[in-house]
Amino acid sequence: QSVLTQPPSASGTPGQRVTISCSGSSSNIGSNTVNWFQQLPGTAPKLLIYNNNQRPSGVPDRFSGSKSGTSASLAISGLQSEDEADHYCAAWDDSLKGWVFGGGTKLTVL
Amino acid sequence: QVQLQQSGPGLVKPSQTLSLTCAISGDSVSSNRAAWHWIRQSPSRGLEWLGRTYYRSKWYNNYAVSVKSRITINPDTSKNQFSLQLNSVTPEDTAVYYCARVGQHGELDYWGQGTLVTVSS
Repeated sequence: QSVLTQPPSASGTPGQRVTISCSGSSSNIGSNTVNWFQQLPGTAPKLLIYNNNQRPSGVPDRFSGSKSGTSASLAISGLQSEDEADHYCAAWDDSLKGWVFGGGTKLTVL
Repeated sequence: QVQLQQSGPGLVKPSQTLSLTCAISGDSVSSNRAAWHWIRQSPSRGLEWLGRTYYRSKWYNNYAVSVKSRITINPDTSKNQFSLQLNSVTPEDTAVYYCARVGQHGELDYWGQGTLVTVSS
């Protein structure tokens, strides 16, 4: 049972906009910044978003992040087939004194 | 460009010690703007943070409560790497283990390639 809650699946057609939610608590998302990752099968997670809404260099601006209170969201616009992957949220938890993760959302491009 | 290269055995017997190393290039394990982490992933437990080491005028370590009695993370400044030791392993410790860096803005930005460690006799 993951500390952060994500929907297990999401889907969209090419060109559509999809959002993935991540729900936490006051000790993690409520008081720290959120990272989002994309993971392709057999590879390490890749950082998509940090500090709630910042993109590392090389990440397309189709990916955006937001945070409100104890929840965060990842939005992917102009959906492409290559976006089909597992997506995870993560944040530092002040009570557990460690990083906590969501259970992951499998994104399918129909 | 930071790169993390993991090494270590992929098979460990129950009750023995799991040992992995993460070699760093493009940054320093002694950097006062980074922290060095171990994270594992399994189908049953998902992504699970294990612990970190970092240097801020002196060395600090933090460990997850779930493994605190069994884990040690050590920096090796002479080789610019850090290691994970997990004692008394059971089949529940079977997972893909990753080393990773957290940068100065709190981003988990660089990850090792992952090592599948199977605990089995």
